Amino acid sequence: KNEVEQSPQNLTAQEGEFITINCSYSVGISALHWLQQHPGGGIVSLFMLSSGKKKHGRLIATINIQEKHSSLHITASHPRDSAVYICAVRSEDTDKLIFGTGTRLQVFP
Amino acid sequence: GAGVSQSPRYKVAKRGQDVALRCDPISGHVSLFWYQQALGQGPEFLTYFQNEAQLDKSGLPSDRFFAERPEGSVSTLKIQRTQQEDSAVYLCASSGRTYYNSPLHFGNGTRLTVT
Repeated sequence: KNEVEQSPQNLTAQEGEFITINCSYSVGISALHWLQQHPGGGIVSLFMLSSGKKKHGRLIATINIQEKHSSLHITASHPRDSAVYICAVRSEDTDKLIFGTGTRLQVFP
Repeated sequence: GAGVSQSPRYKVAKRGQDVALRCDPISGHVSLFWYQQALGQGPEFLTYFQNEAQLDKSGLPSDRFFAERPEGSVSTLKIQRTQQEDSAVYLCASSGRTYYNSPLHFGNGTRLTVT
């Protein structure tokens, strides 16, 4: 079992839909990152969370430390949101980042 | 530019060749990471530097892999006697201060294909 699991693996949506991507982890963490990876490999850091909720534009990230779960929400989705979204946690034991395998999102006009 | 720069963007090597991949982190960033990303997978940790010190190299898959950051800025990942299973995208990331509470900035990666 992977230490960081994301769901769904693939997601398609119509423009304007509200999108939720989930991340569950099984290790103790000190921080959780949501990353966006566009075709061609470039990765952009969206959020770094250790508790609560953060919002940036149409993106919202939440984390529940007790349940070891985080969600990334996209409101009013747009085709330019199409990318792979990756959850990564910093292990409190090893300090390493452990990555999930990503959620591939496609938003159609 | 002000971002993390990696070169080359693409590298094709024949099995058995040595390759060197370069990472220019954001100026002043203390922490530098190398990751390996196989097709369809999330990135896997290779090694971590704080300034010029290689603090963790536990993710390097074999002794054919070697990384250095001699002056605490530019880093080079070297793979000797490349094999087909080394084909992957190699990502570099940097962050300021210690990375514990700093966001990561990723380069666009080097796609290595070993034929």
